[in-house]
Amino acid sequence: QSALTQPRSVSGSPGQSVTISCTGTSSDVGGYNYVSWYQQHPGKAPKLMIYDVSKRPSGVPDRFSGSKSGNTASLTISGLQAEDEADYYCCSHAGSYTYVFGTGTEVTAL
Amino acid sequence: QVQVVQSGAEVKKPGASVRVSCKASGYTFTRYYMHWVRQAPGQGLEWMGIINPSGGGTTYAQKFQDRVTMTRDTSTSTVYMELSSLRSEDTAMYYCARGEYGLDYWGQGTLVTVSS
Repeated sequence: QSALTQPRSVSGSPGQSVTISCTGTSSDVGGYNYVSWYQQHPGKAPKLMIYDVSKRPSGVPDRFSGSKSGNTASLTISGLQAEDEADYYCCSHAGSYTYVFGTGTEVTAL
Repeated sequence: QVQVVQSGAEVKKPGASVRVSCKASGYTFTRYYMHWVRQAPGQGLEWMGIINPSGGGTTYAQKFQDRVTMTRDTSTSTVYMELSSLRSEDTAMYYCARGEYGLDYWGQGTLVTVSS
């Protein structure tokens, strides 16, 4: 199972919107509506930000949103804030109770 | 409140095995799957496998199929991950995380260092 493909880094000014893509195949991202996104600050455990493509857990700000088209999922941060600077990882169900993570994206607020 | 607490750091020699524990509390242990995810220094997250605490059924990533064993003890609400035939490339932070399609509670991580 190959890792899902994410851009190495994205950046934006505070208040701007940034979007992170997550590209897989029809066997993972494209085949199931089970994509999740995780935020990880240095030295910390990952935190769930989005699940089931577009659902937000309680407590996650609504500036975080998720979507999917074909084999590509996306995470959008609308109104980037300094505290959003972190690494972000997508994850997809890949059938038969297997999962695969993305390569990770570093988000920087300029 | 939900808590997932892992065992402490380990240092192992190449060829040895390591067992990491993950104790859950604050919810019904058998109602949620538990995943194991690892992260090598400076690298991304890597999914290792999943265990169903209710029946003990497991699914492992193909990469670890012949070296990993995940078990659970329902009497103590603890899941275990054992990785054998350790090599230097297995040096990483190992996490357990609760959930099925979204991993909502993560352990603090267990650093496993493989060094001669």
